Amino acid sequence: DTAVSQTPKYLVTQMGNDKSIKCEQNLGHDTMYWYKQDSKKFLKIMFSYNNKELIINETVPNRFSPKSPDKAHLNLHINSLELGDSAVYFCASSPIEAGLEQFFGPGTRLTVL
Amino acid sequence: ILNVEQSPQSLHVQEGDSTNFTCSFPSSNFYALHWYRWETAKSPEALFVMTLNGDEKKKGRISATLNTKEGYSYLYIKGSQPEDSATYLCASRNSGNTPLVFGKGTRLSVIA
Repeated sequence: DTAVSQTPKYLVTQMGNDKSIKCEQNLGHDTMYWYKQDSKKFLKIMFSYNNKELIINETVPNRFSPKSPDKAHLNLHINSLELGDSAVYFCASSPIEAGLEQFFGPGTRLTVL
Repeated sequence: ILNVEQSPQSLHVQEGDSTNFTCSFPSSNFYALHWYRWETAKSPEALFVMTLNGDEKKKGRISATLNTKEGYSYLYIKGSQPEDSATYLCASRNSGNTPLVFGKGTRLSVIA
């Protein structure tokens, strides 16, 4: 019954590896987001997708590539992981892009060694 | 770049005290203001979304007000309880396809 789910919850990997984080929402929402919680605990938007189309792409390295196979999924693929990528990544969804409340997933803690 | 400020950064109150904190945001091109409650080791949960100047919303002991002309919102908690301990985030967005910008949050600790 989880509304927004992310897998895995924890991810520990070596520098230089490629990894993916999956996100699924069963709320029927049109819009999905990826946020990064940085070292100062700030939540910063990375990407926003509306009906599988990229709407917002903040200043994020090209190594980060979101993929939305359908409206209910927004996966985050990261190439050539760097130490600075270590953070908690949150997926979220909302009914429309225009800004009703967002529902957050539980977060994925990524540690790059 | 939209800048959202929250104060205080942290707050300790005794059980039963009422408290409030502030979120300030640029008033130009304002579209919506969100408040979220974020408990440790959990994900943020939406409390309120407000869009109109003068909006007031209430959920149990928690309420919020919005002043879009001067660019601030207050969150009030009446009769704080230990389970209110959390970080309270506010986020603002402008009109158009612009992202929600979060403040750093106010960390509230309610001491029994």
